[in-house]
Amino acid sequence: NAGVTQTPKFRVLKTGQSMTLLCAQDMNHEYMYWYRQDPGMGLRLIHYSVGEGTTAKGEVPDGYNVSRLKKQNFLLGLESAAPSQTSVYFCASSYSGSYNEQFFGPGTRLTVL
Amino acid sequence: KQEVTQIPAALSVPEGENLVLNCSFTDSAIYNLQWFRQDPGKGLTSLLLIQSSQREQTSGRLNASLDKSSGRSTLYIAASQPGDSATYLCAVDRGSTLGRLYFGRGTQLTVWP
Repeated sequence: NAGVTQTPKFRVLKTGQSMTLLCAQDMNHEYMYWYRQDPGMGLRLIHYSVGEGTTAKGEVPDGYNVSRLKKQNFLLGLESAAPSQTSVYFCASSYSGSYNEQFFGPGTRLTVL
Repeated sequence: KQEVTQIPAALSVPEGENLVLNCSFTDSAIYNLQWFRQDPGKGLTSLLLIQSSQREQTSGRLNASLDKSSGRSTLYIAASQPGDSATYLCAVDRGSTLGRLYFGRGTQLTVWP
């Protein structure tokens, strides 16, 4: 089992460019999450999904969109990148919601110039 | 809103010491609490998950306790080793079908030989 994988690992964008971060899990988990980690802020939830075809907003959703067309994949999109979106992005998954352990991917380090 | 605080922010100890990391949370109505380890530039590795009905969990040299009524958890590391050097994050699940985690900012641990 690969667990939770994320691509790419690193990316540098210019302001206004767009990109998609891919998260994949092979554990047949229903729930998937996107977090961002900033220095001194801890991890904050961007968007989440409770199953294939569903998505919902988390704590800091502005400037991001997501899609969950397949159960194993959760995509995070930036339509017009801004320097404030410079961060490390983590994807996580769990079998269901509460009472279940969350498993995290290795992260994507994004810099927006 | 659930707020999670970890004390100390950083800790440096010699190899072999037993140590305690602290985590406190403002809303005692939680479903579970999870401790993670994060190595520099890496993702999060789940160490222990304590359900709200449990008082503690153990894995090897790690022991985590939970006191819901006082809003506190501790992570005890026995006989610390240089390989334990990492940032330790505490996260709580407030209890919803989402399973959203609220993270503390972490304790950066350095164990020197």
